[in-house]
Amino acid sequence: DQQVKQNSPSLSVQEGRISILNCDYTNSMFDYFLWYKKYPAEGPTFLISISSIKDKNEDGRFTVFLNKSAKHLSLHIVPSQPGDSAVYFCAATTLNSGGSNYKLTFGKGTLLTVNP
Amino acid sequence: NAGVTQTPKFRILKIGQSMTLQCTQDMNHNYMYWYRQDPGMGLKLIYYSVGAGITDKGEVPNGYNVSRSTTEDFPLRLELAAPSQTSVYFCASRDRVTEAFFGQGTRLTVV
Repeated sequence: DQQVKQNSPSLSVQEGRISILNCDYTNSMFDYFLWYKKYPAEGPTFLISISSIKDKNEDGRFTVFLNKSAKHLSLHIVPSQPGDSAVYFCAATTLNSGGSNYKLTFGKGTLLTVNP
Repeated sequence: NAGVTQTPKFRILKIGQSMTLQCTQDMNHNYMYWYRQDPGMGLKLIYYSVGAGITDKGEVPNGYNVSRSTTEDFPLRLELAAPSQTSVYFCASRDRVTEAFFGQGTRLTVV
C-alpha cells in the first residue's frame, strides 16, 4: 500500500525552463509534506515543506503547491539549472492528528535531469 | 556542526555474518529512523524511535534489530546477513516540527 506516489520515475528539462515534479498521496491524515533532493552517494537533503493549512510555499526558485482535495502536491523549479539534476523525493507525515506523527513516508523519487 | 553521522560508509558482508550500522546525532532530536534505499524503490522505513528506550517497527523490519539507549545513538543490527539486505542504509533524525536530517548513508553488499 503505497501512501505516497511519485508516478514519474524521471523528468528531463532544458536549463532555464520550469521543472514540475508531482506527488500524490492517499492518506488523508497527512498534514505536512516535504521535498528532499538527493545526489548520488549522498544522503537526502531537505528542500522545502508545506503544511496542509497552506496551498503554496515559496523559497527562492522552489515553490511547492498543495491541492488537498485532489491529494496532490507539486514542486516547481524556476528557472531550472544543471546543478538541480538529482533525485527528488516527496515525503509526508502527520503533525497534528495525534496519530502516526513520528513517521515520514517517502515516495519512490523522480530523477530530474536538467540539460545545459 | 556534525548533524547525523553514520559509520561505516561501505561494507561487504558474507552471508550469515552479522554487523552493526552506527548512527549518532548531535541535534538532541527525539525521533530517529533507519531507512533502506533499493534501486527504484524509494526509501523504506526499517525501524524508528521516538525517544531513548522506545523503538518500533517500520515497513520492512525483518532481519534487523535496533536499540536506543541514549538520545544521540540509534544503531541498527543485522544478525544473519542475507543477499536481500544488500542496499544503501540511511539514518535520519528530526524533532516533531522539523524536517528530517539524514546521514550520508552506508552502502552494504552481502555476498
